[in-house]
Amino acid sequence: GNSVTQMEGPVTLSEEAFLTINCTYTATGYPSLFWYVQYPGEGLQLLLKATKADDKGSNKGFEATYRKETTSFHLEKGSVQVSDSAVYFCALTTSGGSYIPTFGRGTSLIVHP
Amino acid sequence: EAGVAQSPRYKIIEKRQSVAFWCNPISGHATLYWYQQILGQGPKLLIQFQNNGVVDDSQLPKDRFSAERLKGVDSTLKIQPAKLEDSAVYLCASSLGGGARDTQYFGPGTRLTVL
Repeated sequence: GNSVTQMEGPVTLSEEAFLTINCTYTATGYPSLFWYVQYPGEGLQLLLKATKADDKGSNKGFEATYRKETTSFHLEKGSVQVSDSAVYFCALTTSGGSYIPTFGRGTSLIVHP
Repeated sequence: EAGVAQSPRYKIIEKRQSVAFWCNPISGHATLYWYQQILGQGPKLLIQFQNNGVVDDSQLPKDRFSAERLKGVDSTLKIQPAKLEDSAVYLCASSLGGGARDTQYFGPGTRLTVL
């Protein structure tokens, strides 16, 4: 079956630091990959996505590249802000094989001023 | 555009009682998802509807959980009887078409505590 593995949190950074949150996956079929973010007290919302190999998703200064050869979709941001403090979820869905959307367990990011 | 609505936001019940959650998806979205999110874990899909029909319910504990989608719009998820391990946040999401590339839009969730 499909699975998503994220790095354990919490990740604690100072403002303007560089961020990487690792995500690797196993999937049957041809996955689309997503990063969802959950800000305190809010529901999950899409941050970015990539639907085929070598695609780069980007939004709000965050980027992630779909790497089929390493089955990875790592999230990066060059300079984090306090307002980026949230829980980040890596997820996939497949268009062949098992369709069930699969989420990682989430990585909490805490950014200090 | 109104988002996905869920109610109630919080529910506390005793084990062996029954409970129901309601979800109203974004207007025009064909696909509706129910997830269970246990503390410290990612959302786990329970059931997926496309319009009126069930696309996948392979991870739904059918001996105690049931769900329906009325007229292809609103949906209810029921647990009867509840167990301690059902304590979790229940998330509803919807997407326009339901394809693998589609973005899911999530509601705020219902936090269930079973005592």
